[in-house]
Amino acid sequence: DTGVSQNPRHKITKRGQNVTFRCDPISEHNRLYWYRQTLGQGPEFLTYFQNEAQLEKSRLLSDRFSAERPKGSFSTLEIQRTEQGDSAMYLCASSPLLNTEAFFGQGTRLTVV
Amino acid sequence: GIQVEQSPPDLILQEGANSTLRCNFSDSVNNLQWFHQNPWGQLINLFYIPSGTKQNGRLSATTVATERYSLLYISSSQTTDSGVYFCAVEGMNTGFQKLVFGTGTRLLVSP
Repeated sequence: DTGVSQNPRHKITKRGQNVTFRCDPISEHNRLYWYRQTLGQGPEFLTYFQNEAQLEKSRLLSDRFSAERPKGSFSTLEIQRTEQGDSAMYLCASSPLLNTEAFFGQGTRLTVV
Repeated sequence: GIQVEQSPPDLILQEGANSTLRCNFSDSVNNLQWFHQNPWGQLINLFYIPSGTKQNGRLSATTVATERYSLLYISSSQTTDSGVYFCAVEGMNTGFQKLVFGTGTRLLVSP
């Protein structure tokens, strides 16, 4: 296992389009997180899954955002009707159940034009 | 919610110099991690250190949980150490597992 994998690495989309990102966590990790990072800031929490259950969502996650983790394996983050303010780096992380050390993927950089 | 402050915000070093980065947090924590963000944006794990002291090569870290701070030491810095260093904590009273990040320390090591 080579770590957390995210696809695509870069995405440029026109305002109003929908986009979907994928995250494959480290295989034995039960917990999966999505974060968003804008320029010059630290990552901000978006949502958290334990296995397939989505246990927490940040207020940052508007109705246009949805995340899934079917069967407790990979996860997808979808943004509908993208806006310029959605331009950011979207980071996925996973951690094991017994401790909470998080490992991050390479991120997906979204640019909305 | 828990607050995380990092200092200094920016640091410029000559290659070979030593440095100390500080992270203060406002509440008790279950987890504290230090990360290095490389120029491509990936967060590299440096230390998982909710308390105590750890060392890994030229890097070491100390967390004094009772006084709510952590320090990251970089010795004999190299140009490859350049980047942004983040401290992130999981508050004990958050109710679920999430990391709260500081705004980072931007380190530039010049040859």
